[in-house]
Amino acid sequence: EVQLQESGPGLVKPSQSLSLTCSVTGYSITSNYWGWIRKFPGNKMEWMGYISYSGSTSYNPSLKSRISITRDTSKNQFFLQLNSVTTEDTATYYCAREEDSGPDYWGQGVMVTVSS
Amino acid sequence: DIQLTQSPSSMSASLGDRVSLTCQSSQGIGNYLSWYQHKPGKPPKPMIYYATNLADGVPSRFSGSRSGSDYSLTISSLESEDTAIYYCLQYDEYPLTFGSGTKLEIK
Repeated sequence: EVQLQESGPGLVKPSQSLSLTCSVTGYSITSNYWGWIRKFPGNKMEWMGYISYSGSTSYNPSLKSRISITRDTSKNQFFLQLNSVTTEDTATYYCAREEDSGPDYWGQGVMVTVSS
Repeated sequence: DIQLTQSPSSMSASLGDRVSLTCQSSQGIGNYLSWYQHKPGKPPKPMIYYATNLADGVPSRFSGSRSGSDYSLTISSLESEDTAIYYCLQYDEYPLTFGSGTKLEIK
């Protein structure tokens, strides 16, 4: 069974970087696309970007140059880095496998608060 | 970016009611639309993909339909476990975009 699990700090200071890890079991990240999605307080959801089976990436233009998604295929993990965070980046962050039908398997989510 | 407009933003219905949620796309996306059910503390769960196809393990009381740029998620007979926020998602083009969600509660 495909399982994803996010991990990382729950509190980040403004202007610093947010770094999260998604650990995948039951499926290789060298297949498919692997994305990050976040849900804000107030329930808005935003697709942030993906890293593909080949290591190519695609990002939401709304995040401009602040975002980076990388991977470690030896550990079957992929990573999110979001720079220069503000309080508006406070959200629950999910990693997900992206299929032709959209994101199908999701992690449980990790809540990240940006606060001094 | 493609905008998805969901309506209503919230609703309350009784057990056994037939409920329909709507999602309208700002441009053509064909059938590249999914519906997700989101409950507190859990990840979003795929319910419908390709506008009308039931995802694995989803009860048959759920169905999806399309009329032009309008998409609907229908629950034929509401059950208590259906309380959740429902989102539509378009995956016709990147960036993927979500609707703003419909919060469904039981009266």
